[in-house]
Amino acid sequence: GQNIDQPTEMTATEGAIVQINCTYQTSGFNGLFWYQQHAGEAPTFLSYNVLDGLEEKGRFSSFLSRSKGYSYLLLKELQMKDSASYLCAPMDSNYQLIWGAGTKLIIKP
Amino acid sequence: GAVVSQHPSWVICKSGTSVKIECRSLDFQATTMFWYRQFPKQSLMLMATSNEGSKATYEQGVEKDKFLINHASLTLSTLTVTSAHPEDSSFYICSARGLGTGRPTGMISDTQYFGPGTRLTVL
Repeated sequence: GQNIDQPTEMTATEGAIVQINCTYQTSGFNGLFWYQQHAGEAPTFLSYNVLDGLEEKGRFSSFLSRSKGYSYLLLKELQMKDSASYLCAPMDSNYQLIWGAGTKLIIKP
Repeated sequence: GAVVSQHPSWVICKSGTSVKIECRSLDFQATTMFWYRQFPKQSLMLMATSNEGSKATYEQGVEKDKFLINHASLTLSTLTVTSAHPEDSSFYICSARGLGTGRPTGMISDTQYFGPGTRLTVL
């Protein structure tokens, strides 16, 4: 079967760094996406990894290890507006995204 | 770049009526569009995938006669909820994926870009 495992909720402090881990199992693999979803809003695209390694984009970085079925999203210099759910979504052999429940990130001042 | 719009943002309707939701890719050609539904505090649930000019592929358990999807052009897909009932009240979100030429700067192929969603309340 296909599944995704992420922590349900994390709490971090404004200005700090947080790493959100994701392990996955899919039928085939065509890359992994991270999306941010604020409460009551649609997801917005953050990053895409298809090869092993780290992709950096401003305060956000995403890492992928295909052999381990593992990815993480690293958020630096946390701001209050980063409070949201973060969705790890691998793409299977049919180019369909597999969605889990995501990780709710709470930022405290 | 890679902007997707949805209309309307929210709609309230009476039970038994039909509601049409539009999804448009504004600055790229969307060869594939996806329709999702999300209930409060739950995961995104894919309802159907539509490719321009062909019939939509519905996920298991989604009634194709109730949720009519049309993808008539490379920039527009519509979802019509027919004979809506209170249990259809949900947040409906479309996404679009573009390939090939004409992509705006910064857009990544194979990436789904989401519209802002439509909140449907059926009374």
